[in-house]
Amino acid sequence: KAGVTQTPRYLIKTRGQQVTLSCSPISGHRSVSWYQQTPGQGLQFLFEYFSETQRNKGNFPGRFSGRQFSNSRSEMNVSTLELGDSAPYLCASSSQGELFFGEGSRLTVL
Amino acid sequence: AQSVSQHNHHVILSEAASLELGCNYSYGGTVNLFWYVQYPGQHLQLLLKYFSGDPLVKGIKGFEAEFIKSKFSFNLRKPSVQWSDTAEYFCAVRVSGTYKYIFGTGTRLKVLA
Repeated sequence: KAGVTQTPRYLIKTRGQQVTLSCSPISGHRSVSWYQQTPGQGLQFLFEYFSETQRNKGNFPGRFSGRQFSNSRSEMNVSTLELGDSAPYLCASSSQGELFFGEGSRLTVL
Repeated sequence: AQSVSQHNHHVILSEAASLELGCNYSYGGTVNLFWYVQYPGQHLQLLLKYFSGDPLVKGIKGFEAEFIKSKFSFNLRKPSVQWSDTAEYFCAVRVSGTYKYIFGTGTRLKVLA
């Protein structure tokens, strides 16, 4: 069974631009969640989707948004990028209460 | 608001030493508890989890954790670490019945050969 796939793995953007990250969950998993990973703060929860509906949202500004498609694939978008948005962004799909993580998309904002 | 505290941010041990990483959470209700590990250059993977039952949980690679409800703790232990245990370890909590996981800030473990 293929794991969680995130694309792109690495990307570089400049301040003010926007970025879209993609996540394909494990087949059969309908829940997808997103996390920002930063040194000293660990994983910060962004949002969680199930069957195309956002069920939970973390404390991030409105520049961070996401969506989920009917095939359970999910995207997250960050608009008007700031230097502080530089971080790995992790996607996880879940089944029976357990999270399965992708390898992350490492965003660098210059 | 719920929170998870990992008090050890960096731990350095020699091979064969015993390991205990602390994890405390703040929530009075029913929780599910997890330890995840991230080896260098790899994705996060589950070490062990507690949902209910025996509070002493055994995971992969010889790790175990004990849930002590009265102390709101879920400490990770391993009797004898190996160089390959060098990684970052994250404790996580999910309030039962919700879809939100709260992670601790992580503990970087370095095992010296």
